[in-house]
Amino acid sequence: DAGVTQSPTHLIKTRGQQVTLRCSPISGHKSVSWYQQVLGQGPQFIFQYYEKEERGRGNFPDRFSARQFPNYSSELNVNALLLGDSALYLCASSLVIWGANQPQHFGDGTRLSIL
Amino acid sequence: AQSVTQLGSHVSVSEGALVLLRCNYSSSVPPYLFWYVQYPNQGLQLLLKYTTGATLVKGINGFEAEFKKSETSFHLTKPSAHMSDAAEYFCAVSDTGGFKTIFGAGTRLFVKA
Repeated sequence: DAGVTQSPTHLIKTRGQQVTLRCSPISGHKSVSWYQQVLGQGPQFIFQYYEKEERGRGNFPDRFSARQFPNYSSELNVNALLLGDSALYLCASSLVIWGANQPQHFGDGTRLSIL
Repeated sequence: AQSVTQLGSHVSVSEGALVLLRCNYSSSVPPYLFWYVQYPNQGLQLLLKYTTGATLVKGINGFEAEFKKSETSFHLTKPSAHMSDAAEYFCAVSDTGGFKTIFGAGTRLFVKA
């Protein structure tokens, strides 16, 4: 079975531009989470979606938004890009949201570089 | 609020030596704890998880971790390091609502031949 897939793998943008990152969860997984991992740090939680609704949001500005589609795939959008947005963006899926013991399965991420 | 502290940003061991990666957590309720490994240019892979029950948790690749409530610790160990264990390791705690996983800053493990 295919794991979590993310596209594109690498992306270069300039300040002020907008970017859309995509994620396809493992088949049957209904929950998708997004994380930002700055070089040398642990992943920071951005969003979690379950059944197409936002269920959790981290401490990120409104420039960050996301959505989940009927097939449970998800997009992360970032507007007005800043140099500090340069990071590895990770998508993770899990079977359900209920029960904090559900481990998340991670994709390989999208490396976003802002010039 | 829940938090995770990993002691030591870098750990270096010789091949065949004991691996010990330290993690302390802060939580007002019984936590769910995880260890993940990240190889270069890849996402995170789950090594093991603690939910409830047995305090010694066995994971993949010979790793195990012991949950000690009195010390609020969840240290990761492996009896004998292998070159392929060289990677970044993250300790994480899941909040009770299941909405997010909070990660530590990570510990990079170096294995010397």
